[in-house]
Amino acid sequence: QVQLQQWGAGLLKPSETLSLTCAVYGGSFSGYYWSWIRQPPGKGLEWIGEINHSGSTNYNPSLKSRVTISVDTSKNQFSLKLSSVTAADTAVYYCAGGAIVVVPAAIIYYYYMDVWGKGTTVTVSS
Amino acid sequence: SSELTQDPAVSVALGQTVRITCQGDSLRNYYASWYQQKPGQAPVLVIYGKNNRPSGIPDRFSGSNSGNTASLTITGAQAEDEADYYCNSRDSSGNHLHVVFGGGTKLTVL
Repeated sequence: QVQLQQWGAGLLKPSETLSLTCAVYGGSFSGYYWSWIRQPPGKGLEWIGEINHSGSTNYNPSLKSRVTISVDTSKNQFSLKLSSVTAADTAVYYCAGGAIVVVPAAIIYYYYMDVWGKGTTVTVSS
Repeated sequence: SSELTQDPAVSVALGQTVRITCQGDSLRNYYASWYQQKPGQAPVLVIYGKNNRPSGIPDRFSGSNSGNTASLTITGAQAEDEADYYCNSRDSSGNHLHVVFGGGTKLTVL
């Protein structure tokens, strides 16, 4: 059973760089797309971006200019860096593992995230 | 379009059936996945694929998909089902590069 453990700095000043890491235990590292998701206080989930074991990344277009997601396959870890943070980046940040499945007969797909970290609260304040 | 739209809030009487819906163009190509989130906790996957439940999810949770709309149905809602529910898929335009979430539905069990 795959488990995720995440860590990183919880208090940042405006203009600093947010840095979080997520370690994957107990399962296949190569079988997932590894994502970062955030949730501002009282608001919904926002996907930040993802990486696979080969290092291929996809980012939310609204954050792409400030986001870097990297992977260390030797440690089964992936990391998030978000530059030039402001108060609007205050949120709980989650790491998660997702999978895409194709149903050929129906020419339809499904995507799901079945493993999540517990979340890290990041506050940006001067 | 990469948006998924959900009603902000829904209520249901204890023991009754409730349907939570999610609309978006990507759902013509993707079955939606559904997540339950209780206060202070990480989201938990409750439905994925055509109508699959992960181990440990009660069978009162079910999913369906039609056209651009996905639905999560709770048959015989329990007090512990009170939570926020989010739908999820990938953006089916282009090369399916982006993940999208609905805005969430707050379910109140009366």
